Amino acid sequence: SQTIHQWPATLVQPVGSPLSLECTVEGTSNPNLYWYRQAAGRGLQLLFYSVGIGQISSEVPQNLSASRPQDRQFILSSKKLLLSDSGFYLCAWAGQGSGTQYFGPGTRLTVL
Amino acid sequence: GQQVMQIPQYQHVQEGEDFTTYCNSSTTLSNIQWYKQRPGGHPVFLIQLVKSGEVKKQKRLTFQFGEAKKNSSLHITATQTTDVGTYFCAASSGYALNFGKGTSLLVTP
Repeated sequence: SQTIHQWPATLVQPVGSPLSLECTVEGTSNPNLYWYRQAAGRGLQLLFYSVGIGQISSEVPQNLSASRPQDRQFILSSKKLLLSDSGFYLCAWAGQGSGTQYFGPGTRLTVL
Repeated sequence: GQQVMQIPQYQHVQEGEDFTTYCNSSTTLSNIQWYKQRPGGHPVFLIQLVKSGEVKKQKRLTFQFGEAKKNSSLHITATQTTDVGTYFCAASSGYALNFGKGTSLLVTP
């Protein structure tokens, strides 16, 4: 069966520090991968998605970036965090040709 | 992309009462999906509707897709405290999904 992992589960970072969040999927190959951000009590904001290794589509211009160095690995990064980057970061995967998305447990990021 | 609007934003019910959340679009949707997010958790896929007028049931949950494929609803009969959470509808948009802003359900025992 397929599983999706995210780490860390929680993170507290100072303003201006770098960020690296990792997401990995097991049990499937060539998945579509997604990064979302959810502010407290709010909806899901799609940040990036990838349909293959090295292919990244950005939905919202901001100081975040994403990379997909391996088929089942998706990384969200920032060189300098802002206060507004605080939130709940969710990674999701979907099978090729399937629109159904399966979410990881998420990372709660607090920028102080 | 196919944008969707959800109402209401919040709903507070007594345990045993029914609950309905609505999802509307100005354009015809190819399909609609529903997800549930428990407090502190991550969204979990519930169901996908594809056909015009489609109705699907999962125990106390009834999902409908409108005849014109521009709206959908999720109805919960006799709510329980385990139904607490935020319910999102989502419409396909290329490789991505456009999520509604969600309806947060609070159930008081």
